[in-house]
Amino acid sequence: DTAVSQTPKYLVTQMGNDKSIKCEQNLGHDTMYWYKQDSKKFLKIMFSYNNKELIINETVPNRFSPKSPDKAHLNLHINSLELGDSAVYFCASRQGPQAYNEQFFGPGTRLTVL
Amino acid sequence: KNEVEQSPQNLTAQEGEFITINCSYSVGISALHWLQQHPGGGIVSLFMLSSGKKKHGRLIATINIQEKHSSLHITASHPRDSAVYICAVTDTGNQFYFGTGTSLTVIP
Repeated sequence: DTAVSQTPKYLVTQMGNDKSIKCEQNLGHDTMYWYKQDSKKFLKIMFSYNNKELIINETVPNRFSPKSPDKAHLNLHINSLELGDSAVYFCASRQGPQAYNEQFFGPGTRLTVL
Repeated sequence: KNEVEQSPQNLTAQEGEFITINCSYSVGISALHWLQQHPGGGIVSLFMLSSGKKKHGRLIATINIQEKHSSLHITASHPRDSAVYICAVTDTGNQFYFGTGTSLTVIP
């Protein structure tokens, strides 16, 4: 049983397209995150959702929009894709927003923009 | 300057060696995390600390809040420990900051 799953695992697309990455967790957690890992392997938080409310939004372009249809899902929509969006995107979840609760990561989605 | 600094950036060790990876941070924190990223890309949370020391198998993590420093130790290292180890902190405002990672290679 996969705790945090992401689809697709790989995504190759042209500049200017709109794409979505899906994330689902079956842990009953109420906080979910999206992270971006760049080509230098540096992780940076993009979004955090707690009880369907956005509680952290780092300086991410508004072409990126998280959508949470329910507590178990946090999807990432990206409009007008740019070359610099190429990265690995990780979804994660934890119980509550408290820092002392462990995060569980999805396997990552490698996005390549041509 | 990054809020979380790790050293070394790259580390090569012989199997069986004792390994230490260091992490220093500049913000007030609620918790510090050590993550492991396997060569295949998956990320696993190893430890979460707010004080003291934790041990899991051959892995030990310590934190000194006053000095804003944490160490991850691996005893009797093994080639399967080869991975990138990432230090991350959650500050008192619940913001996340990540270190740039330490790439560890353990040679048989």
